[in-house]
Amino acid sequence: GAGVSQSPSNKVTEKGKDVELRCDPISGHTALYWYRQSLGQGLEFLIYFQGNSAPDKSGLPSDRFSAERTGGSVSTLTIQRTQQEDSAVYLCASSLEGWHEQFFGPGTRLTVL
Amino acid sequence: AQKVTQAQTEISVVEKEDVTLDCVYETRDTTYYLFWYKQPPSGELVFLIRRNSFDEQNEISGRYSWNFQKSTSSFNFTITASQVVDSAVYFCALNNYQLIWGAGTKLIIKP
Repeated sequence: GAGVSQSPSNKVTEKGKDVELRCDPISGHTALYWYRQSLGQGLEFLIYFQGNSAPDKSGLPSDRFSAERTGGSVSTLTIQRTQQEDSAVYLCASSLEGWHEQFFGPGTRLTVL
Repeated sequence: AQKVTQAQTEISVVEKEDVTLDCVYETRDTTYYLFWYKQPPSGELVFLIRRNSFDEQNEISGRYSWNFQKSTSSFNFTITASQVVDSAVYFCALNNYQLIWGAGTKLIIKP
C-alpha cells in the first residue's frame, strides 16, 4: 500500500508568516509522529498522537507550534509567526502502534527567509 | 533518564571493508525496543530493524548484522563487505513510549 505522504515537499515563507504542513499516514496506523531535522543533525521529537488519546506535545519547542490529527488519520502541523530558526526538514512518521517501527514520509523542507 | 549515544560521528572506509557502528543506550525500563534506521543522501529514513529487550539473539540479514548485549547496554550494527550504496547516516533509537534518537553516524564508503 501507499507509504506516508507529506505536503508540500518544499515551503519557502517569510519571517512572521504562518505555515501548515500536512501528513497522511499509512492507513490503519494508529500512531503518528512529527519530528524536525536541522541540516546535518539528528531527529528532534515534536509531537506524538496515539489513537484517540491526548497527544504528547512535550517536544514542541514553543507555543507557536501546534498540531492536530483529524479523524485519527491526517495530521497538520502549524507554525505561527515563523522565525528563521524554524527552517528545517519536518518529518512525519506513522506506526501500527506506539511500540512498532515507524515509517517515515519524505519530509517537508521549510525555509524561512 | 533515557539516552542513546552514537559516539562515532563519521566513519570512512574503503569498499569491501567490514564496518561496525556503535550504539549505547540508557534506560531504567525493563521493557523497551531498539531500532536502527538508515538515512541515505536522498533524505528519506528507512527502517532496518527492531529488537525488543527480551530478545538478545543476534540477527543477520544479508550483509547486515546486529549485536544486542544488555550487559553493556549496546546494540551495535555491522555491515560486512561494505558497498558504496551503504553510504548514509545511520541512526540508533530507543523506544519505550517515545522514540529517543541517537545523533547518527555518517558512514562514507569509498570506491
